[in-house]
Amino acid sequence: AQSVTQLDSHVSVSEGTPVLLRCNYSSSYSPSLFWYVQHPNKGLQLLLKYTSAATLVKGINGFEAEFKKSETSFHLTKPSAHMSDAAEYFCVVTLAYSGAGSYQLTFGKGTKLSVIP
Amino acid sequence: DAGITQSPRYKITETGRQVTLMCHQTWSHSYMFWYRQDLGHGLRLIYYSAAADITDKGEVPDGYVVSRSKTENFPLTLESATRSQTSVYFCASSLGGRGTGNTIYFGEGSWLTVV
Repeated sequence: AQSVTQLDSHVSVSEGTPVLLRCNYSSSYSPSLFWYVQHPNKGLQLLLKYTSAATLVKGINGFEAEFKKSETSFHLTKPSAHMSDAAEYFCVVTLAYSGAGSYQLTFGKGTKLSVIP
Repeated sequence: DAGITQSPRYKITETGRQVTLMCHQTWSHSYMFWYRQDLGHGLRLIYYSAAADITDKGEVPDGYVVSRSKTENFPLTLESATRSQTSVYFCASSLGGRGTGNTIYFGEGSWLTVV
């Protein structure tokens, strides 16, 4: 079984300050982990993914995330927030190994990021 | 490169009517998925398909029917729409599973309102 917990439903930061969106996961096997971003009335866009290579993963738009197995965490960070970062962010886990015919993502409930000018 | 497209993007229908949401992908991805997104529930998997003619239930399949006669298409049908099916529906596709951590790509969504 696998699950994802996004620890904050809403995060508010000032423009130019760091962003931290927290995600904890549980998984019976080695997980693959993703962060997606969803702007209002839009689909989900992949920010970055971890698939058991480097534990520090760099994504688009200056975002990065670090996989910490001991803490079962995959927190998303950005050094300096921009107004265009205001959106909803989803942490997602899937098994690094899945059986034939089975390939499912488990989504966190989402974190809404507000950026204050 | 069209990617993954959904139609219609917006639909209002009446309770009891049949509605079909279309999904088309141009990447020849093996896996396709339908999710619904509701406030307070996040995204929930309705159905998925590992290949043409292979479909399986997700977390919330009741009231929905899918088919996949061609790799590129994965329509979702609400046989008799109910108000509880008012939601945003996302189609998605992926190259494959099997431990690859393959990225899932999402369509833009279909906003469905059942009145």
